[in-house]
Amino acid sequence: AQRVTQPEKLLSVFKGAPVELKCNYSYSGSPELFWYVQYSRQRLQLLLRHISRESIKGFTADLNKGETSFHLKKPFAQEEDSAMYYCALRSDRGSTLGRLYFGRGTQLTVWP
Amino acid sequence: ETGVTQSPTHLIKTRGQQVTLRCSSQSGHNTVSWYQQALGQGPQFIFQYYREEENGRGNFPPRFSGLQFPNYSSELNVNALELDDSALYLCASSGVNEQYFGPGTRLTVT
Repeated sequence: AQRVTQPEKLLSVFKGAPVELKCNYSYSGSPELFWYVQYSRQRLQLLLRHISRESIKGFTADLNKGETSFHLKKPFAQEEDSAMYYCALRSDRGSTLGRLYFGRGTQLTVWP
Repeated sequence: ETGVTQSPTHLIKTRGQQVTLRCSSQSGHNTVSWYQQALGQGPQFIFQYYREEENGRGNFPPRFSGLQFPNYSSELNVNALELDDSALYLCASSGVNEQYFGPGTRLTVT
């Protein structure tokens, strides 16, 4: 069965410190993984997807199939990074018809 | 900002009542998905509609039903409301590469 686990409900760091939000998954097929972000009073929006291998707002995430992880990292956190972050897995890789399985989310707070 | 809209923003219902939530997809998107987000949890998939047909369903009872219209707007209907149905309901329309989420409808069942 598909499952996404985000072990940290809350994470706090100081501005300029590195940050890593953990995500582990279980999926029998070939996974497609995403990070979504929700800033205060805004809607859920896509931050990045593993297929694109891109860096968005300084964040990167590498898919580690051996450890079934997709941790989100940023070397120098900024106050504007404070938000709720959700890791998500999509079934039916490559198709927008697939459903998303979300983790419970990690609330990141970056202190000045 | 995406073009997915939802109505109403907030809703209070009594246990046993029925509710209809609405979603307008982003222009050109023919797929819409509905999610339930309980407090402190991530969104949980309810079902998906593609070209007016249900295309996948999560672990929700039959009293959760939906419709998609020719203009690709969508409705989520919940019958016989229970207290545990209190949640944020999100719809998402699918583009080429991602799902775009609406702002959600906050349903409170008392």
